[in-house]
Amino acid sequence: GENVEQHPSTLSVQEGDSAVIKCTYSDSASNYFPWYKQELGKRPQLIIDIRSNVGEKKDQRIAVTLNKTAKHFSLHITETQPEDSAVYFCAATHPPLTSGTYKYIFGTGTRLKVLA
Amino acid sequence: GAGVSQSPRYKVAKRGQDVALRCDPISGHVSLFWYQQALGQGPEFLTYFQNEAQLDKSGLPSDRFFAERPEGSVSTLKIQRTQQEDSAVYLCASSYGQGGSGEQYFGPGTRLTVT
Repeated sequence: GENVEQHPSTLSVQEGDSAVIKCTYSDSASNYFPWYKQELGKRPQLIIDIRSNVGEKKDQRIAVTLNKTAKHFSLHITETQPEDSAVYFCAATHPPLTSGTYKYIFGTGTRLKVLA
Repeated sequence: GAGVSQSPRYKVAKRGQDVALRCDPISGHVSLFWYQQALGQGPEFLTYFQNEAQLDKSGLPSDRFFAERPEGSVSTLKIQRTQQEDSAVYLCASSYGQGGSGEQYFGPGTRLTVT
């Protein structure tokens, strides 16, 4: 089945620096890749997503890149701020089999600390 | 206009007890998912409903886990004879379309501790 690996598990950056989190997936048929931010004790919230027909997507300080050939995608946060501190999860959708379900397969998470 | 809600937020159960976790999805959302999130890990898929039909339960770890969504709205995840390894945060998510290929909106989760 689909497997998603995420690196690094922890990341500390100085305020204003950039942060990059990388994920690789195993199923070449995966076609939707969301990124979620989860603050301590709170629900995961979608921050950006990308579909397999697009190589890059940007939303203000956040961008995601996708390399389908290499089967990896990355989250880029520029000009980091203390409020960016959280756990970030990548996910890949496993295409539906007989059930028609797009299962999200999540990475193990990256704990980002932005140091003021 | 509220988001996905879950209750209770925290549940402590003694080993062997049965528990029931509730999820209220966003009104009108067809798809509903349950996930289990162990400490320090990403959410892991448990089961999926399209309206009232449970189309995928391949992620349920054992037959002690049972989920239902009888009227296609509120869903309940039931765990019978709880074990310590069931301790985790149980997340519910809903999405508008069928199959869940679009954005999933998560609830705040229920933290289950089995003692």
